[in-house]
Amino acid sequence: GAVVSQHPSRVICKSGTSVKIECRSLDFQATTMFWYRQFPKQSLMLMATSNEGSKATYEQGVEKDKFLINHASLTLSTLTVTSAHPEDSSFYICSARDQGAGLEKLFFGSGTQLSVL
Amino acid sequence: DAKTTQPPSMDCAEGRAANLPCNHSTISGNEYVYWYRQIHSQGPQYIIHGLKNNETNEMASLIITEDRKSSTLILPHATLRDTAVYYCIVRPDNSGYALNFGKGTSLLVTP
Repeated sequence: GAVVSQHPSRVICKSGTSVKIECRSLDFQATTMFWYRQFPKQSLMLMATSNEGSKATYEQGVEKDKFLINHASLTLSTLTVTSAHPEDSSFYICSARDQGAGLEKLFFGSGTQLSVL
Repeated sequence: DAKTTQPPSMDCAEGRAANLPCNHSTISGNEYVYWYRQIHSQGPQYIIHGLKNNETNEMASLIITEDRKSSTLILPHATLRDTAVYYCIVRPDNSGYALNFGKGTSLLVTP
């Protein structure tokens, strides 16, 4: 199946610093990617939809100036958590659509565990 | 998206079939039923999806009732590695929409 690579898998940072998470589709082109956040023992919550070459669409309650999304190519989307605070500590997961062969599946990265001290 | 209802947790003995139910009584005609699973600290993994007919692949079988108001995911021979949270999601296909995850069913496969 299609592979979505997410990096880094784990990051620890100091409060006030920014962290960038990369999401790459390795064997397909992804015009649309999605970013999720998951707190412990909770389900995945959609943060934003990232479309190649245009501005991301954020879900209600997600600060666009805090969670910067860039989708400059068909295989790469990045999420930057700016001025991170301890409450931003969470598991961040990206997902990409593989429209090849008429399939409308979404494939997920392996996630990034962010810990803000 | 139509909402789904799943039991919060289930147990299954290793080697037995695991049957995970899902209710989606408000599903629309153009919405597919998707199943994903998430093993601890990993990203969700696609399992199977279907519209109205039963589906089978190398991972599982999906049984959808004739009225499409419920479905069952069947793992024919559960292994310890199948321990995960299983999510049933309904969503229009070819729509570009994200998957909206509910709470899912936490399946524990025991030796």
